Amino acid sequence: SQTIHQWPATLVQPVGSPLSLECTVEGTSNPNLYWYRQAAGRGLQLLFYSVGIGQISSEVPQNLSASRPQDRQFILSSKKLLLSDSGFYLCAWTTSYRDQPQHFGDGTRLSIL
Amino acid sequence: GNSVTQMEGPVTLSEEAFLTINCTYTATGYPSLFWYVQYPGEGLQLLLKATKADDKGSNKGFEATYRKETTSFHLEKGSVQVSDSAVYFCALNQAGTALIFGKGTTLSVSS
Repeated sequence: SQTIHQWPATLVQPVGSPLSLECTVEGTSNPNLYWYRQAAGRGLQLLFYSVGIGQISSEVPQNLSASRPQDRQFILSSKKLLLSDSGFYLCAWTTSYRDQPQHFGDGTRLSIL
Repeated sequence: GNSVTQMEGPVTLSEEAFLTINCTYTATGYPSLFWYVQYPGEGLQLLLKATKADDKGSNKGFEATYRKETTSFHLEKGSVQVSDSAVYFCALNQAGTALIFGKGTTLSVSS
């Protein structure tokens, strides 16, 4: 069966520090991968999605970036965090078929001090 | 463009009450529709889905019917429990692209 792993679960970082969140999927090949951010009390904001290795689409211009160095690995990064980067970050995967749902990781709670 | 509109929350109910959370969508063609649930501090879990008109998705006592004539996918449950307290998201998927989510509806059930 397919599983998705996301870490760390919780992270506290100072303003201006770098960021690296990792997401890996097991049990499937060539998944579509997604990064979302959920601010406190708000809905989901799609940040990046990827349909293959090295293929990244950005939905919102910001100081975050994403990379997909391997088929089932998706990394969210920042060189210098801002206070506004605080939130709950969710990774998700799906197949490319339209009737298939996205499957989410457990999320990373990021707090910027 | 495609969009999903959910009723504003929070929705506050007593245990065993009937639940309806409205969801309407705008899309060309025939999208697939989903309901997700998010419990406090957790990621999103798929609750149910429907892939074509008149399909009814159901799971854990929740139901939603894909109504193309009204472009709706309302979530219902006949008798809610305290454990159903969570945030519920309606979403659509078209042509294998990223899901489009509604803003979420918070449900709070008291005993």
